[in-house]
Amino acid sequence: TQLLEQSPQFLSIQEGENLTVYCNSSSVFSSLQWYRQEPGEGPVLLVTVVTGGEVKKLKRLTFQFGDARKDSSLHITAAQPGDTGLYLCAGANRDDKIIFGKGTRLHILP
Amino acid sequence: DVKVTQSSRYLVKRTGEKVFLECVQDMDHENMFWYRQDPGLGLRLIYFSYDVKMKEKGDIPEGYSVSREKKERFSLILESASTNQTSMYLCASRGRTGGGIFGGYTFGSGTRLTVV
Repeated sequence: TQLLEQSPQFLSIQEGENLTVYCNSSSVFSSLQWYRQEPGEGPVLLVTVVTGGEVKKLKRLTFQFGDARKDSSLHITAAQPGDTGLYLCAGANRDDKIIFGKGTRLHILP
Repeated sequence: DVKVTQSSRYLVKRTGEKVFLECVQDMDHENMFWYRQDPGLGLRLIYFSYDVKMKEKGDIPEGYSVSREKKERFSLILESASTNQTSMYLCASRGRTGGGIFGGYTFGSGTRLTVV
């Protein structure tokens, strides 16, 4: 069974700090996606990474796909209260099945 | 803006009732999905459909059924609601990018169902 482990489960930091959250697996994925979910809403796709070692930037968010395509990280620079939410990673296997991690709940304190 | 619309944001139903959750997408996507989301358990796939009239069981199909009579609409049915089906239900759709590979999911806003 393929699993995606996200760490940490919870993170609470002050506005302006930097942070990194992780998504790890022992399985290889053909692509990996990151979503952000705000309370009472559905997840919203932030980025898809496809190539091993790929780095994508979305304003203050930097996403990296591991060289072996088994893991990924999300780095946020100068976190703001608007970054608060549940961050989910999701990996696609060769059969196009999507596996979701359980998420990192991030709270940015003003 | 592309959209997945779920018919209800909040729903309260009684044990034993038959419950219909409706989902409509306007992106002409072939694939549609129903998930439930529970604290500590994450997103769990209930059913999915790769095309009209097609349906496949996900990881937790027991107690649920689905219907996809039209491409844009995917309905989740709780045959006889039970309290352990109290949850956040999320519908999603997915289509192919210009390169022919599947893009990410577009989710609806969710339906928070409470069964009493």
